Amino acid sequence: KAGVTQTPRYLIKTRGQQVTLSCSPISGHRSVSWYQQTPGQGLQFLFEYFSETQRNKGNFPGRFSGRQFSNSRSEMNVSTLELGDSALYLCASSDRLRTSNTGELFFGEGSRLTVL
Amino acid sequence: QKEVEQDPGPLSVPEGAIVSLNCTYSNSAFQYFMWYRQYSRKGPELLMYTYSSGNKEDGRFTAQVDKSSKYISLFIRDSQPSDSATYLCAKGAQKLVFGQGTRLTINP
Repeated sequence: KAGVTQTPRYLIKTRGQQVTLSCSPISGHRSVSWYQQTPGQGLQFLFEYFSETQRNKGNFPGRFSGRQFSNSRSEMNVSTLELGDSALYLCASSDRLRTSNTGELFFGEGSRLTVL
Repeated sequence: QKEVEQDPGPLSVPEGAIVSLNCTYSNSAFQYFMWYRQYSRKGPELLMYTYSSGNKEDGRFTAQVDKSSKYISLFIRDSQPSDSATYLCAKGAQKLVFGQGTRLTINP
């Protein structure tokens, strides 16, 4: 079974631009979560989608948004990029119906965003 | 105060040593506690999860939760160089709150 796939793996943007990151979950998983990882703040929850609906949201500004498609693939978008948005963005999928309370997430390798 | 506090280390021990990794947490709502391992340039992978107080063992790894003191621990017995990674504690269900992560190095 293929794991979680994230694209692109690396990207460089400049302040003010926007970026879209893509995530393909494990086949059969309908829940996709996004996390931001930085050296200073660690791993922080951005949002979770299940069956194309946002179910949970973290404490990030509205510049961070996401969506999920009918095939469970997900995208996240960051608009008006700031230097502080430089981070590793991790996508995780889960079989939410089976593991709704266990926190068993399967992470991708992440998309490393550098904002100049 | 962060919901989950974890000493970032780094922690360096010789091969074969017993490693103890610890976290403290606030907010005692009903939830699960997890340990994830993250190798360099990789995403985190779930090692173990546990619910309520007590121990859970899986091979060389033992996870322990003490709800009275709000302490989460991971013990690694007979540590190997391949255990060198960052270990992250977390709590929650679908919306996980992570500790800062402890970078562990096992020296041959």
